[in-house]
Amino acid sequence: GQNIDQPTEMTATEGAIVQINCTYQTSGFNGLFWYQQHAGEAPTFLSYNVLDGLEEKGRFSSFLSRSKGYSYLLLKELQMKDSASYLCAVSPPGGGNKLTFGTGTQLKVEL
Amino acid sequence: DAGVIQSPRHEVTEMGQEVTLRCKPISGHNSLFWYRQTMMRGLELLIYFNNNVPIDDSGMPEDRFSAKMPNASFSTLKIQPSEPRDSAVYFCASSFTQETQYFGPGTRLLVL
Repeated sequence: GQNIDQPTEMTATEGAIVQINCTYQTSGFNGLFWYQQHAGEAPTFLSYNVLDGLEEKGRFSSFLSRSKGYSYLLLKELQMKDSASYLCAVSPPGGGNKLTFGTGTQLKVEL
Repeated sequence: DAGVIQSPRHEVTEMGQEVTLRCKPISGHNSLFWYRQTMMRGLELLIYFNNNVPIDDSGMPEDRFSAKMPNASFSTLKIQPSEPRDSAVYFCASSFTQETQYFGPGTRLLVL
């Protein structure tokens, strides 16, 4: 089975940096996705990590440690529009399509 | 390019009625997924198709739920009879082989 843990809520200040953690215990693992979901909208893809290390994409970076079952999403230069839920999801061995999602971290960016 | 299209966007129905949700995946994608999202349980995979064939329906709650994909550009999720506990947002997503999934806008279902 799959067990994915994320903090339920986080609050940060505009312009700051925030790190959202995700830990997982799975019977098999290929890679980890991060999605962003604004209230009332669909999840949108942010990043995908298969190998250990940091992947940087503009203001957003994602890190993976396969041996530790751990990932984080790093958001820099926070903007008000970054207030959203951030979902991590794991994909099974061999890649494959069946993602298992965490319950999401609700990020609130304040002035 | 058009993304994943879902209809209706909102549905209010009474308990016992049949509900049909529709999805048109992104052209060229060969995998289609149906998810349900609630506050209590988060985003759950109900069923997914590869090349129009159902691969894994282990997330379908019970026999009241059924899904079909008659061709590469159309899928339906049907609930019959509907119950208040089925109230949720239902998302359809599509992908090409094992790549990133792209979500539709969702159908907000309320069963009274």
